[in-house]
Amino acid sequence: DGGITQSPKYLFRKEGQNVTLSCEQNLNHDAMYWYRQDPGQGLRLIYYSQIVNDFQKGDIAEGYSVSREKKESFPLTVTSAQKNPTAFYLCASRNRGQVYGYTFGSGTRLTVV
Amino acid sequence: RKEVEQDPGPFNVPEGATVAFNCTYSNSASQSFFWYRQDCRKEPKLLMSVYSSGNEDGRFTAQLNRASQYISLLIRDSKLSDSATYLCVVKALLRGGSEKLVFGKGTKLTVNP
Repeated sequence: DGGITQSPKYLFRKEGQNVTLSCEQNLNHDAMYWYRQDPGQGLRLIYYSQIVNDFQKGDIAEGYSVSREKKESFPLTVTSAQKNPTAFYLCASRNRGQVYGYTFGSGTRLTVV
Repeated sequence: RKEVEQDPGPFNVPEGATVAFNCTYSNSASQSFFWYRQDCRKEPKLLMSVYSSGNEDGRFTAQLNRASQYISLLIRDSKLSDSATYLCVVKALLRGGSEKLVFGKGTKLTVNP
């Protein structure tokens, strides 16, 4: 079945480390997104990509970086510049041909230790 | 003003009760609206789209008032399995022709036996 795979499910990071969260989709979707969710909060957009080799900052991009070298993959790196990285990270992709067309991954829960 | 605002909740109701969630959005140009359901520590899942004429899916009814920029969700005959956080979501356009989903903070519902 087609879908989005995020890994790992749980990730622990030490202060000052960079970590990379994986997001892979086999839906042939062009657009991909990274959202962050904090407890009691809605999802906030970090980065998005409409096509391969192109990506744009969302609302809270500081301390994060992404790449889009392949259509299927949109990894997110949480850098040491991100001061409060502990959160639930969700990746989504979208079929541009449909009114709705969004699919979400099951998320990665990142904790700084 | 936040882009999407919801009742803060939480709502605690007995089984069989009718419960209503309200949401307002700030961008009058918004065209697409949704209700999502999110279970604890899981990704959000689309519950239903919201159409101008109002729409119903079983026990769930969604309404949209464009003049007031107001969205609602009504759950009738609530079940234990309806316990979750309900997210009001609005689609927003981004530069370059892309789009994103803007999420409210969510309203937590607990249905009690």
